[in-house]
Amino acid sequence: DGGITQSPKYLFRKEGQNVTLSCEQNLNHDAMYWYRQDPGQGLRLIYYSQIVNDFQKGDIAEGYSVSREKKESFPLTVTSAQKNPTAFYLCASTRGAPSGANVLTFGAGSRLTVL
Amino acid sequence: QKEVEQDPGPLSVPEGAIVSLNCTYSNSAFQYFMWYRQYSRKGPELLMYTYSSGNKEDGRFTAQVDKSSKYISLFIRDSQPSDSATYLCAMSGRSNTGKLIFGQGTTLQVKP
Repeated sequence: DGGITQSPKYLFRKEGQNVTLSCEQNLNHDAMYWYRQDPGQGLRLIYYSQIVNDFQKGDIAEGYSVSREKKESFPLTVTSAQKNPTAFYLCASTRGAPSGANVLTFGAGSRLTVL
Repeated sequence: QKEVEQDPGPLSVPEGAIVSLNCTYSNSAFQYFMWYRQYSRKGPELLMYTYSSGNKEDGRFTAQVDKSSKYISLFIRDSQPSDSATYLCAMSGRSNTGKLIFGQGTTLQVKP
């Protein structure tokens, strides 16, 4: 079955540590996205990538980094510079359409807790 | 002021009730409107998608868009306990970045 796989599902981190969240898709989608979800704030865009080897900052990119070396993969690193990293992280992808009607397919999410 | 406003609830209704979920927005450039459903500890899944103004019906679900009022709604008829979830509205303008702006999400509980 086609879909998006995020791992790990749950992750605990000590302050000062970097962690990397994995996102893999087998939908042959061109564009991939990382969102952060906090209670009462909906989804906020961290980074997105429309093609391999290219990515753009979203609304809350500070303290995060990404790479897009393969079409299928878009890992997110939460660095020690992110002041409040405890959140639910969602990866999404879309085939992409020039009209802008991009319907996103989401993974199951990764919950990061900083101890 | 946020671009998209959505009452977070929670909203609790008895089984069989008609549910109305709403979002308001401020950006008149938005043309694509979506509703996602998110079960606890899961990723959102697309429920409804509409373009510009008008109504769209899919089974027990009806999505309405009123661009003149900058107001969108999702109606659920004959609500079921399995409808208990968080409902997120999302919208975007005419661009090729695929960036969606999400509402805060409304948590719905349908009691048997």
